[in-house]
Amino acid sequence: DTEVTQTPKHLVMGMTNKKSLKCEQHMGHRAMYWYKQKAKKPPELMFVYSYEKLSINESVPSRFSPECPNSSLLNLHLHALQPEDSALYLCASSTPQGFQTQYFGPGTRLTVL
Amino acid sequence: QQQVKQSPQSLIVQKGGISIINCAYENTAFDYFPWYQQFPGKGPALLIAIRPDVSEKKEGRFTISFNKSAKQFSLHIMDSQPGDSATYFCAASLGGGSNYKLTFGKGTLLTVNP
Repeated sequence: DTEVTQTPKHLVMGMTNKKSLKCEQHMGHRAMYWYKQKAKKPPELMFVYSYEKLSINESVPSRFSPECPNSSLLNLHLHALQPEDSALYLCASSTPQGFQTQYFGPGTRLTVL
Repeated sequence: QQQVKQSPQSLIVQKGGISIINCAYENTAFDYFPWYQQFPGKGPALLIAIRPDVSEKKEGRFTISFNKSAKQFSLHIMDSQPGDSATYFCAASLGGGSNYKLTFGKGTLLTVNP
């Protein structure tokens, strides 16, 4: 099973709202990722968790706050977003060593009004 | 700078034809090269991947050709079908250790006409 699930599929929020994106995998992967993807662009790495610890933060604004409660779950907390943050947010997971094939979820389409 | 250059930006192929997408990289330390297929509104799905110790890898209608000396690799889709219409991303990474970053090409929008 190479499935990564994400909820919700779609999210519309105002600039003053607080919302969370959720990601789950049951492949036993100990590395999990958040990406942002704009239309007609490749995915852009935001955060990497390895063994439930934040390993990489690609200078992402603090209005995005990641959380890894356990080895299967990854959250992205959103607060005071801007319209330009509207995008497809992708979660991925991989083994943390070796040749780390990343498996992506279906994404959450976020619209910030 | 770590870059992967992908071409063409878009490609139109007739059903049954061969689709070819090319990528070139700069960092000779890259040693893992996956291709991802992405349909509109969906996440990227791993299609096929190669390491530089082989020159070619085939899985069904999809083949990666790898030229280490030229620092180039390409995806060939044989007998292209309308269902193959999607955006294709090549990528490269430093395999092993704890380097997690995938460097993506800019993508190729493939349209296969019936």
